[in-house]
Amino acid sequence: DQQVKQNSPSLSVQEGRISILNCDYTNSMFDYFLWYKKYPAEGPTFLISISSIKDKNEDGRFTVFLNKSAKHLSLHIVPSQPGDSAVYFCAASDTGNTPLVFGKGTRLSVIA
Amino acid sequence: DTAVSQTPKYLVTQMGNDKSIKCEQNLGHDTMYWYKQDSKKFLKIMFSYNNKELIINETVPNRFSPKSPDKAHLNLHINSLELGDSAVYFCASSLGGDGNTIYFGEGSWLTVV
Repeated sequence: DQQVKQNSPSLSVQEGRISILNCDYTNSMFDYFLWYKKYPAEGPTFLISISSIKDKNEDGRFTVFLNKSAKHLSLHIVPSQPGDSAVYFCAASDTGNTPLVFGKGTRLSVIA
Repeated sequence: DTAVSQTPKYLVTQMGNDKSIKCEQNLGHDTMYWYKQDSKKFLKIMFSYNNKELIINETVPNRFSPKSPDKAHLNLHINSLELGDSAVYFCASSLGGDGNTIYFGEGSWLTVV
């Protein structure tokens, strides 16, 4: 069963516009959420995280929003740049109990 | 310097062979992992070691045997390779195992023919 779902396999956005990547989860015990970015032929790299005590975390052009009641989080990238083109994985954890559970990823293409 | 390095990066081998993938991290982390990215693009955990001790062993065939000679190394040995073992295998490490930020290696692309 998929505890972490990224329902959009791909997303295309024009350079300079906002990219919004979505992630849903089913396990209400998850309390820590991360986004990873992955370029072809490379391992995933950590991008940004949020714990369940917050509903927003911002780091430069990247902001993650958490809606606990909806079991939904999203990653906003603004402005989007061509170098942001990659696969983005959402991951969640029940800290102290389970390892990270990953979604299937969303391939973002930023078009110049 | 690469923080988490794994070798080989590419491996093509025949069914029935035994192969190993090596992993080393120089981050001083105490927890290491093996993840498998299958054809459906899921990243699934296979094993987790903390200070050389096995912590997590997900439902993985016992043909897969991890070995951790020290906390900086976690090698994956696979016996009697099958076609379905073809995947990208990622080694990773973290400081502690409680959902802390995980650092991944570049992946080892295994193709079984």
